[in-house]
Amino acid sequence: AQSVTQPDIHITVSEGASLELRCNYSYGATPYLFWYVQSPGQGLQLLLKYFSGDTLVQGIKGFEAEFKRSQSSFNLRKPSVHWSDAAEYFCAVGAGNTGKLIFGQGTTLQVKP
Amino acid sequence: EAQVTQNPRYLITVTGKKLTVTCSQNMNHEYMSWYRQDPGLGLRQIYYSMNVEVTDKGDVPEGYKVSRKEKRNFPLILESPSPNQTSLYFCASNTLGLAGEEDTQYFGPGTRLTVL
Repeated sequence: AQSVTQPDIHITVSEGASLELRCNYSYGATPYLFWYVQSPGQGLQLLLKYFSGDTLVQGIKGFEAEFKRSQSSFNLRKPSVHWSDAAEYFCAVGAGNTGKLIFGQGTTLQVKP
Repeated sequence: EAQVTQNPRYLITVTGKKLTVTCSQNMNHEYMSWYRQDPGLGLRQIYYSMNVEVTDKGDVPEGYKVSRKEKRNFPLILESPSPNQTSLYFCASNTLGLAGEEDTQYFGPGTRLTVL
């Protein structure tokens, strides 16, 4: 069955430190992968996506993610976190040509001053 | 501006009182979907529609209905709401079949529903 796992429910980092949020997926074919961010009380904003090609994808707000097929992972990274990055982050996989997204449980990021 | 709109944004109701949450998109997308978000569970798909008059169940359809009479609108109907339907609901839309854009979903702002 298709699934997405975000192993870390809650992460706290200091402002200016680097960040890596983990995402593992289970999907039979080549996956379409996404990272969304949800700020408190807000909707979902697309950070970046992977469909094919270069396995390192750049997104908005200085985020990047690397697709590793051998590890079934799509981890999100940022070299220097800002206080405004505090939010909940969701990894998702597109379930083929149906438009359906399967989401992970989410990771809440707290940024310490 | 391309967007997905939902109304209402907040709703408190009582058990058994029928309600409808509206969703509209202005991007001429074929595909529309409803999700609910619950703590620790992420977002789960309730229903989806691949075009006008074409709808199907997602992963958690029990207690919900939808309709797709026009391409732009996809209302979510709770005929007899119960407290376990208290949740944050998101409508989403995307287009199908366009290389590079397939499966990129655009989300509405969310509707927070409380059923007492």
